[in-house]
Amino acid sequence: QKEVEQNSGPLSVPEGAIASLNCTYSDRGSQSFFWYRQYSGKSPELIMFIYSNGDKEDGRFTAQLNKASQYVSLLIRDSQPSDSATYLCAGGAGANSKLTFGKGITLSVRP
Amino acid sequence: DGGITQSPKYLFRKEGQNVTLSCEQNLNHDAMYWYRQDPGQGLRLIYYSQIVNDFQKGDIAEGYSVSREKKESFPLTVTSAQKNPTAFYLCASSIGTGGEQYFGPGTRLTVT
Repeated sequence: QKEVEQNSGPLSVPEGAIASLNCTYSDRGSQSFFWYRQYSGKSPELIMFIYSNGDKEDGRFTAQLNKASQYVSLLIRDSQPSDSATYLCAGGAGANSKLTFGKGITLSVRP
Repeated sequence: DGGITQSPKYLFRKEGQNVTLSCEQNLNHDAMYWYRQDPGQGLRLIYYSQIVNDFQKGDIAEGYSVSREKKESFPLTVTSAQKNPTAFYLCASSIGTGGEQYFGPGTRLTVT
């Protein structure tokens, strides 16, 4: 059974801080990873994807992938109250595979 | 304006009735998916389709049916056999399976 685990949470950080969201996966064949943001009552929105080991930065967001340790993380710098949402991690094993989603981590940014 | 549309946004049905949820995309994506989300839970895959006239069961297909007669459309029918149909239903699409998926706005179904 392929699993993506997001065990830490809910997470609360003060405005301006760095929020660190972590995700581990069980399938060593996983090649691609995605972070989605879901506001309450809304559908998930893709914010980052990463395929290679290392860091990938996009604005205030940095995705980190470590295939040897089977974890992927999302860092949000200068957190804003508008970042308060549930963040879903998903992994896929390449073409013709389905994505496996974690249950999500709820982030609250305190003004 | 490209995207994925789902209708209706809210749907109310009586127990024992079948109901069909609409999903349309104009992104020219080959793959489409249906997920179910319950409060505080992640996404559970119901059905997916990699190409027109072909679809596969996901993790929780019992009580659901789909069709894929057109590339743009992937309707989901929630049948009376589904024991707990009340949930938030999300449709998604991707260029091919394994890549990033884009979600529609969702349909919130309540069955009483």
